[in-house]
Amino acid sequence: QVQLVESGGGVVQPGRSLRLSCAASGLSFSSSGMHWVRQRQAPGKGLEWVAFISFDGRGENYADSVKGRFTISRDNSKNTLYLQMNSLRPEDTAVYYCTKQDKDSWGQGTLVIVSS
Amino acid sequence: EIVLTQSPDFQSVTPKEKVTITCRASQSIGSSLHWFQQKPDQSPKLLIKYASQSISGVPSRFSGSGSGTDFTLTINSLEAEDAAAYYCHQSRSFPLTFGGGTRVEIK
Repeated sequence: QVQLVESGGGVVQPGRSLRLSCAASGLSFSSSGMHWVRQRQAPGKGLEWVAFISFDGRGENYADSVKGRFTISRDNSKNTLYLQMNSLRPEDTAVYYCTKQDKDSWGQGTLVIVSS
Repeated sequence: EIVLTQSPDFQSVTPKEKVTITCRASQSIGSSLHWFQQKPDQSPKLLIKYASQSISGVPSRFSGSGSGTDFTLTINSLEAEDAAAYYCHQSRSFPLTFGGGTRVEIK
């Protein structure tokens, strides 16, 4: 079955950078667009779409809140999705999920905390 | 940006009751509306895709309807395991957006 495993989260100071990874298995990774979705940790906080990359990496889209600071990328030879997060802000604190284009499979999420 | 407005924010329901959650889009999105369930400390789970298409493995008590700007998720005969947050989501145009969520509590 499809397995998506995120990693790379942690505690980082405002203004610093972090790179998240999502290792995929059980799917034709090179044929699937991929998304990053985040969920802030305050009680009752909802889901926020962050970024999308096309199956071949040629197309990218970003939420306005991260445009110019975050970069989504992929390595189809390694079945891995990435999210490079620069100039991090406290409001970027969240659990970050990777998910397939159709969003029928999700990882378990990785927690990013931006705090001094 | 397409804004999705869900209602209600919260619902406390007795088992076997019927639950109806609505999602209104700020502009027409055709049928590009999907529903997710998220239980505490779990990842979101796709329940319904493209407004009314069922997902393999999802109980038949979950159904969706609507098109254009108004959509509904219905849970027939609520079970205790359905306690969760429910989100609508549009994939019609970027930036993709989610509704604010509806938390369903079991009385």
